[in-house]
Amino acid sequence: EDQVTQSPEALRLQEGESSSLNCSYTVSGLRGLFWYRQDPGKGPEFLFTLYSAGEEKEKERLKATLTKKESFLHITAPKPEDSATYLCAVSMNSGGYQKVTFGTGTKLQVIP
Amino acid sequence: NAGVTQTPKFRILKIGQSMTLQCTQDMNHNYMYWYRQDPGMGLKLIYYSVGAGITDKGEVPNGYNVSRSTTEDFPLRLELAAPSQTSVYFCASSYLGHMNTEAFFGQGTRLTVV
Repeated sequence: EDQVTQSPEALRLQEGESSSLNCSYTVSGLRGLFWYRQDPGKGPEFLFTLYSAGEEKEKERLKATLTKKESFLHITAPKPEDSATYLCAVSMNSGGYQKVTFGTGTKLQVIP
Repeated sequence: NAGVTQTPKFRILKIGQSMTLQCTQDMNHNYMYWYRQDPGMGLKLIYYSVGAGITDKGEVPNGYNVSRSTTEDFPLRLELAAPSQTSVYFCASSYLGHMNTEAFFGQGTRLTVV
């Protein structure tokens, strides 16, 4: 069964304390892995797409990496404005068609 | 540039009532989607459309209907609302299909069925 699991469910960091969020997946036929940020009461906002193992992408304090089984979202020296829920989504081939499965998210709180 | 606009933002329905959630995008995207988000669950695809006049079911279509008469609009219809449809609904659009590229989401509609 195709599964996308994010960990931890919640993470509390001090400002400047770097850490990583994990998105592990068991799917066949990976087409792409997406990271989104979601602020309370808002829709998800696109961050990155990764297509193949070994690929990395960076944006400000965020860096996303991909292996054959998981993706990491590394947050370097986070600031309070990085507080949000981070979602990963996996696009895959399933039963002859393509589908996207979202993880349940990691809620990040950065304390000043 | 408005992106994806959803209305209303909040709504309370009584069991058995019907309503339409509106979604409009101004990016000329062919692909549009409706998702629901429940606490502790990932976003679930309800319906999607690959262009005007073409729609298809997602993972959780029961109790919902959609239409796509124009590129810009993709309304979601709830017939005979049930408590299980209490959720936050998001409309999204993308340039390429099935989220091969980034998707743009609306602000969401928080629906409560009582």
